[in-house]
Amino acid sequence: GDSVTQMEGPVTLSEEAFLTINCTYTATGYPSLFWYVQYPGEGLQLLLKATKADDKGSNKGFEATYRKETTSFHLEKGSVQVSDSAVYFCALSDQNTNAGKSTFGDGTTLTVKP
Amino acid sequence: DVKVTQSSRYLVKRTGEKVFLECVQDMDHENMFWYRQDPGLGLRLIYFSYDVKMKEKGDIPEGYSVSREKKERFSLILESASTNQTSMYLCASRITDTQYFGPGTRLTVL
Repeated sequence: GDSVTQMEGPVTLSEEAFLTINCTYTATGYPSLFWYVQYPGEGLQLLLKATKADDKGSNKGFEATYRKETTSFHLEKGSVQVSDSAVYFCALSDQNTNAGKSTFGDGTTLTVKP
Repeated sequence: DVKVTQSSRYLVKRTGEKVFLECVQDMDHENMFWYRQDPGLGLRLIYFSYDVKMKEKGDIPEGYSVSREKKERFSLILESASTNQTSMYLCASRITDTQYFGPGTRLTVL
């Protein structure tokens, strides 16, 4: 079945540092890939998505590129802020299999210190 | 913007009570989902629905039931709450390939 593996956390960075959170996936079809962000005490918010190979999703300074050859969708940001402290989830969704359910990684907790 | 609302942000109930968690979406989405989120266990799917009156079990349906009488509303029911159901409950609705989440309900069962 489908699966998503994320870099284990927690990750602690200083403000303005470069961020990478690794995500790899296994899927039988041609999934769409997502990053969600969860701030403390809140639900998940869609951060960015990519629907096919070589697509780049971007939002709020975050980027991720859909790499089919390495089955990866790593999240990057050039300069993190304290307000980026949150839990980040990588996910995939394949409309043609699995009844349209999404598969989520376990989440990576990011803490940014001033 | 897609809006998914949940009836309560925080809820405290006693063991054995029947608990209703309500979720409403305003975008006419067909698919809706209930998850629970626990530290170290990620998101686990409880039930989902792909149409009115249709429901499918997820990965951990035991102790829960659901109701979908109208397209916009998907209810999660704990028939007899137990302390091991203390958790964060997240509702989501889906359009094409993207799920949109509500703010979550933190349920404590005493």
